[in-house]
Amino acid sequence: KNEVEQSPQNLTAQEGEFITINCSYSVGISALHWLQQHPGGGIVSLFMLSSGKKKHGRLIATINIQEKHSSLHITASHPRDSAVYICAVRSKSGGSNYKLTFGKGTLLTVNP
Amino acid sequence: NAGVMQNPRHLVRRRGQEARLRCSPMKGHSHVYWYRQLPEEGLKFMVYLQKENIIDESGMPKERFSAEFPKEGPSILRIQQVVRGDSAAYFCASSPRARLGTEAFFGQGTRLTVV
Repeated sequence: KNEVEQSPQNLTAQEGEFITINCSYSVGISALHWLQQHPGGGIVSLFMLSSGKKKHGRLIATINIQEKHSSLHITASHPRDSAVYICAVRSKSGGSNYKLTFGKGTLLTVNP
Repeated sequence: NAGVMQNPRHLVRRRGQEARLRCSPMKGHSHVYWYRQLPEEGLKFMVYLQKENIIDESGMPKERFSAEFPKEGPSILRIQQVVRGDSAAYFCASSPRARLGTEAFFGQGTRLTVV
């Protein structure tokens, strides 16, 4: 079992829909990242969370440390949001807290 | 500020050749991390380097792979005698501190294809 599980693996939506991508993890963490990767493209950091909720434009990320769960929401989705969204956690272990463990990603396709 | 620069973007090598992947961190960043993304798999940590030092190479295959980050110039990930299973996207990230924080910056990646 992966330390970081994302769901769903694939998600297709119509433009304007509200999107939720989930991430569950099984280890103690000091922080969680949400990343975006366009097909054939680089990786962009969207959020880093250690508690609570963050918002940037149409993107909202939440984390529940007790339940070891995070969600990424996209409001009023647009075709340009089509990408792979990756959850990554940073270990709490003091000696190696620079290491990120990644989920396999969620492929989002938003149709016009 | 040009961001994290990786080159080449695409690299094709025949089995048995050497592959050299370059990563120039953001200006002012002295910590570099390499990750590998195999087809249908998530990203995996390979190695963490600071200038002239390998801090953690626990994710690197024991043979054929090496990494360096010299005092001057980019970080290099070197794969000797490549095999088909080395085909993957290799990403580099850099940070000014020892942890990728909110300011996590990744490069565009190098897509290696071994034929």
